[in-house]
Amino acid sequence: RKEVEQDPGPFNVPEGATVAFNCTYSNSASQSFFWYRQDCRKEPKLLMSVYSSGNEDGRFTAQLNRASQYISLLIRDSKLSDSATYLCVVNARNTGFQKLVFGTGTRLLVSP
Amino acid sequence: DAGVIQSPRHEVTEMGQEVTLRCKPISGHDYLFWYRQTMMRGLELLIYFNNNVPIDDSGMPEDRFSAKMPNASFSTLKIQPSEPRDSAVYFCASRVEVRNTGELFFGEGSRLTVL
Repeated sequence: RKEVEQDPGPFNVPEGATVAFNCTYSNSASQSFFWYRQDCRKEPKLLMSVYSSGNEDGRFTAQLNRASQYISLLIRDSKLSDSATYLCVVNARNTGFQKLVFGTGTRLLVSP
Repeated sequence: DAGVIQSPRHEVTEMGQEVTLRCKPISGHDYLFWYRQTMMRGLELLIYFNNNVPIDDSGMPEDRFSAKMPNASFSTLKIQPSEPRDSAVYFCASRVEVRNTGELFFGEGSRLTVL
């Protein structure tokens, strides 16, 4: 079983739509969770950290469910510029931030 | 501010040749990471350094791969001899411990094609 699993998509949504991605992780000892964004042929960049209580950054909301070992990302009012691949990231066992394990990503396409 | 700088951006080589990828981390960052990205396997951590010392190289696929960090501003990833299955995008990333945010700053990557 992969340490981090994501639906590869693509998710095709119209502008203005709300879209949600889920990610599951296998290491119950993981303590740090993130969403990174990667544009086509570019490097990954941190989108947001995911906190136990859930957190919001503008149109983006991240949630963590430790019992079920999944993380979610909700994007409201989708923009064309949101089209990208979203990578779920979890720290490996007992390594703090040092060993971050990346999912293979969920691709989002927002159309006019 | 300069970000993580990688070179070359693109490399096409023939099987059996030596490949050297280079990375200059962000000044002041004390961790440096080498990742490899393919469509099938996504981003895989190959090795990381802390204060120029290799900490974990368990992700290095085999002895053909080696990495060095002779000083705080330079690292290399070498593949010798290269094979077609090494074709991937190789990313270097750095972070600073004191901020304790887990944010990695990636370079633009080196796209390697081995024929």
